[in-house]
Amino acid sequence: DQQVKQNSPSLSVQEGRISILNCDYTNSMFDYFLWYKKYPAEGPTFLISISSIKDKNEDGRFTVFLNKSAKHLSLHIVPSQPGDSAVYFCAAPGRRALTFGSGTRLQVQP
Amino acid sequence: ETGVTQTPRHLVMGMTNKKSLKCEQHLGHNAMYWYKQSAKKPLELMFVYNFKEQTENNSVPSRFSPECPNSSHLFLHLHTLQPEDSALYLCASSQDLEGSSYEQYFGPGTRLTVT
Repeated sequence: DQQVKQNSPSLSVQEGRISILNCDYTNSMFDYFLWYKKYPAEGPTFLISISSIKDKNEDGRFTVFLNKSAKHLSLHIVPSQPGDSAVYFCAAPGRRALTFGSGTRLQVQP
Repeated sequence: ETGVTQTPRHLVMGMTNKKSLKCEQHLGHNAMYWYKQSAKKPLELMFVYNFKEQTENNSVPSRFSPECPNSSHLFLHLHTLQPEDSALYLCASSQDLEGSSYEQYFGPGTRLTVT
């Protein structure tokens, strides 16, 4: 049973536009969420997080929104840049480690 | 060296071979993890070690054997693997397993191909 789901395997946007990556979860006990970014041939790197006591967290061009009633979070990147092209994973702390979604591959077209 | 390092970066092995993957973290963390990433699948947790003690074995076949001699080093010993074990194997570390230390730091991974 996949507790963290990313239903869009890929997304393509134009440089300068907004990228919106979505993530759904099933476990209402999750109280913290993280987004990781992964380039080819590298391990995932932490990008931004949000606690369940907030509904928004912003860091530069990256903003994460949390809708607890819908069990949904989204990562907004604006403006998108070609260097943002990567696979993005959302994650939540499980019993002993992070539970990851399957990832969304973002391609930002110049 | 900083962060989390993994060697080798690429490995091709036959089904009868025995090989080992190595992970080293230079962050002073207490918890270390092995993950498997197959194509188009979520990261799958394999093993968790906390203060050198294994705290999680996520139903991993016995042909994968972890070893954690100290908090900075983690090995994954491989023997009689199957072609479906071909994947990217990622090592990660975190400060500990509880509280606010959710953030994990990942190594670059070992791309394993079993022929």
